[in-house]
Amino acid sequence: EAGVAQSPRYKIIEKRQSVAFWCNPISGHATLYWYQQILGQGPKLLIQFQNNGVVDDSQLPKDRFSAERLKGVDSTLKIQPAKLEDSAVYLCASSSLQHTDTQYFGPGTRLTVL
Amino acid sequence: AQSVTQPDIHITVSEGASLELRCNYSYGATPYLFWYVQSPGQGLQLLLKYFSGDTLVQGIKGFEAEFKRSQSSFNLRKPSVHWSDAAEYFCAVGAKMYSGGGADGLTFGKGTHLIIQP
Repeated sequence: EAGVAQSPRYKIIEKRQSVAFWCNPISGHATLYWYQQILGQGPKLLIQFQNNGVVDDSQLPKDRFSAERLKGVDSTLKIQPAKLEDSAVYLCASSSLQHTDTQYFGPGTRLTVL
Repeated sequence: AQSVTQPDIHITVSEGASLELRCNYSYGATPYLFWYVQSPGQGLQLLLKYFSGDTLVQGIKGFEAEFKRSQSSFNLRKPSVHWSDAAEYFCAVGAKMYSGGGADGLTFGKGTHLIIQP
């Protein structure tokens, strides 16, 4: 079974630029999560989708971050405009409705904002 | 709101020695508890999880953890560490699953960096 795919793996941008990350969850997984992991900290949930609906986006900085999962499969997370403090690893995870207890994580996208 | 505390930022253990990583959680109801490991450049890998039942849970790679409700703890243990165990370890708590399926996102601790001495 293929794991969670993310791209790009690395991205370097200047502040005030825009950036987008892509995630393809494990096939058949209805629930998709985006986490932000700042260096030296644990991951923090940004947004959670179930199919193509948002379940929880309470910690998403909506003035600059947006995410979508239009067809209930892959997802895109966008930052516009980026700030220095957005430098982090962005992790995507997915879980199935049959086994909701386990989230499977992708390798992450490391973003550096200069 | 739930929270997780991992009191040790770094731990150094000699290869072959036993290991215990501490985790304390705060949650109003029965929590779902997890331990993940993250090696450099790798994604998070689930080591073990606790939902209910036996408070001593076994995981992969020879790890185990014990849920102690009275102490709000879920410490990770391994009887004999190997050099390949050097990594970052995260404890996480999840809220109860909801009836429509799916589970809330996890709340992670800040992690414990494990260093293995030869």
